[in-house]
Amino acid sequence: ETGVTQTPRHLVMGMTNKKSLKCEQHLGHNAMYWYKQSAKKPLELMFVYSLEERVENNSVPSRFSPECPNSSHLFLHLHTLQPEDSALYLCASSHTLGAVNEQYFGPGTRLTVT
Amino acid sequence: LAKTTQPISMDSYEGQEVNITCSHNNIATNDYITWYQQFPSQGPRFIIQGYKTKVTNEVASLFIPADRKSSTLSLPRVSLSDTAVYYCLVGEPSNDYKLSFGAGTTVTVRA
Repeated sequence: ETGVTQTPRHLVMGMTNKKSLKCEQHLGHNAMYWYKQSAKKPLELMFVYSLEERVENNSVPSRFSPECPNSSHLFLHLHTLQPEDSALYLCASSHTLGAVNEQYFGPGTRLTVT
Repeated sequence: LAKTTQPISMDSYEGQEVNITCSHNNIATNDYITWYQQFPSQGPRFIIQGYKTKVTNEVASLFIPADRKSSTLSLPRVSLSDTAVYYCLVGEPSNDYKLSFGAGTTVTVRA
């Protein structure tokens, strides 16, 4: 498989559940990102990793916990979410950090919190 | 990050050329201009990037005037499948990994 993949594609969870979103990139990139896109809102950058080190935590609530075990994999651990956390969660990667570097996005995980 | 302003929406018909202008009055010397395309329920996709003058690829052209305070994305002969949201982003190569996508321009192509 090529590019950036995300699993699951759809997830429904209750507010007391714990779940994880997975992202994998097959591009040999060194930077990975988590974005949130709520309905009718712009993309919001959540977390940025470069060479497996977190370089950005954009004031995201602690109920979202990222993990980057290696440069190819990125996880977003979810617990005690709120209904307003329902959104499309997008993972992206780029060769290195920097605006010039094209970001490759995955298809996203559509999350619904009930 | 330089702030960008682009129209909220544009309508067009199949076969027409669509031009979307983005204003970025406070663009910095080292900033590049990048455009992304996003279809519903998908992640954005890189279209084109430029620094000055004109850049063309198989998908679009990007026109940047000398003062670089604006840029125009040109989509030639659009089809229904070009209906999407188009984002203009401005950022400096090494520092601005925090891409600000804004609201984008929703382009609707009709038959």
